[in-house]
Amino acid sequence: AQSVTQPDIHITVSEGASLELRCNYSYGATPYLFWYVQSPGQGLQLLLKYFSGDTLVQGIKGFEAEFKRSQSSFNLRKPSVHWSDAAEYFCAVRYSSASKIIFGSGTRLSIRP
Amino acid sequence: DTGVSQNPRHKITKRGQNVTFRCDPISEHNRLYWYRQTLGQGPEFLTYFQNEAQLEKSRLLSDRFSAERPKGSFSTLEIQRTEQGDSAMYLCASNPIEGVDTGELFFGEGSRLTVL
Repeated sequence: AQSVTQPDIHITVSEGASLELRCNYSYGATPYLFWYVQSPGQGLQLLLKYFSGDTLVQGIKGFEAEFKRSQSSFNLRKPSVHWSDAAEYFCAVRYSSASKIIFGSGTRLSIRP
Repeated sequence: DTGVSQNPRHKITKRGQNVTFRCDPISEHNRLYWYRQTLGQGPEFLTYFQNEAQLEKSRLLSDRFSAERPKGSFSTLEIQRTEQGDSAMYLCASNPIEGVDTGELFFGEGSRLTVL
């Protein structure tokens, strides 16, 4: 079955520290991959996307993600987090044979002052 | 155009009542999606339209749920005979079809349903 797994429900990091949020997807075909962020009371906003080419993609707000086909992973990273990065982060996948986007269950990020 | 608009933002209703949500997508976006999100979970796909045609509907969607997009512009999602389990945030998203369709979705802020 097509699915997206985000193994970390909640992560807390100190402001200024680096961040990595994990994401794994199922299925064999090369998917379109996304990271969205949802701040309290806000709609989901696209951080970055991958569908072909360079496996390291840059997004908004200083985020980047790397597609690793061998590990079926698309982890999100940021070298130095800011207090404003506290939010819920969702990894999502769209397979070429379908039009819907499937979301993971999300990782809540808290920032320690 | 400032984005995807959803109304109402919050609806409180009694069990057994019918509710309707409206979504106005970004102008000229061909595809419109409905998702449902409960606390602590990611958005769950419900259905999507390409123009006025409903192309896919989740098997999780019971017969009490119906969605329309009559003129290929705005869409409505109706829930009949609401149950407490229907309490959730209902999200609408849209995306254009241009060149390579990457599937990037533009989301509204959602309509929160509380069933008492």
